[in-house]
Amino acid sequence: DAGITQSPRYKITETGRQVTLMCHQTWSHSYMFWYRQDLGHGLRLIYYSAAADITDKGEVPDGYVVSRSKTENFPLTLESATRSQTSVYFCASSDGTAGPYEQYFGPGTRLTVT
Amino acid sequence: DAKTTQPNSMESNEEEPVHLPCNHSTISGTDYIHWYRQLPSQGPEYVIHGLTSNVNNRMASLAIAEDRKSSTLILHRATLRDAAVYYCILKNSGGSNYKLTFGKGTLLTVNP
Repeated sequence: DAGITQSPRYKITETGRQVTLMCHQTWSHSYMFWYRQDLGHGLRLIYYSAAADITDKGEVPDGYVVSRSKTENFPLTLESATRSQTSVYFCASSDGTAGPYEQYFGPGTRLTVT
Repeated sequence: DAKTTQPNSMESNEEEPVHLPCNHSTISGTDYIHWYRQLPSQGPEYVIHGLTSNVNNRMASLAIAEDRKSSTLILHRATLRDAAVYYCILKNSGGSNYKLTFGKGTLLTVNP
């Protein structure tokens, strides 16, 4: 089915381990985004990408790495997971950024770091 | 980013209209007004957006004040599936403005 998917939907990992969250969209949208959602903070932007091989930091990028070798994929890697990275992670995509372009969000990945 | 102010929560009865207010007194002339909602355990979902004129789509209507300092999202007949957190977001039309800034939104409860 067309749309934006995330995997895994749930993940439990230990402190210090590397973990990668996957995001895939089938619309060929040029822009992709990673947000995290924590109680009391709402959604905060981690990284975004304007096109393949173009990425940039958002509000809270520390501890995260992204890549975008193909337009449709935008994986997010936690290089050495910490308990403070326990959160729900949402990927989104958009056909543009100027003005009215809406963002389409995936279902989220709930990550727990023990 | 210009700031929006929304009530923390609102309650409605099923099949009745719901008016969700948003104040944005510092809105600039190039800011679009976007509304998203987030159903329980799901990602945010686009609802509607507008610039100056009132807008309608299959999900909702957006009424924008003449001075653009406030707007109202209107759900014409609330259903139980409309229970969600509703976010009012200002998004500048500038090409470099990529970010959606989510506040705390309004938690809408729909009573059967």
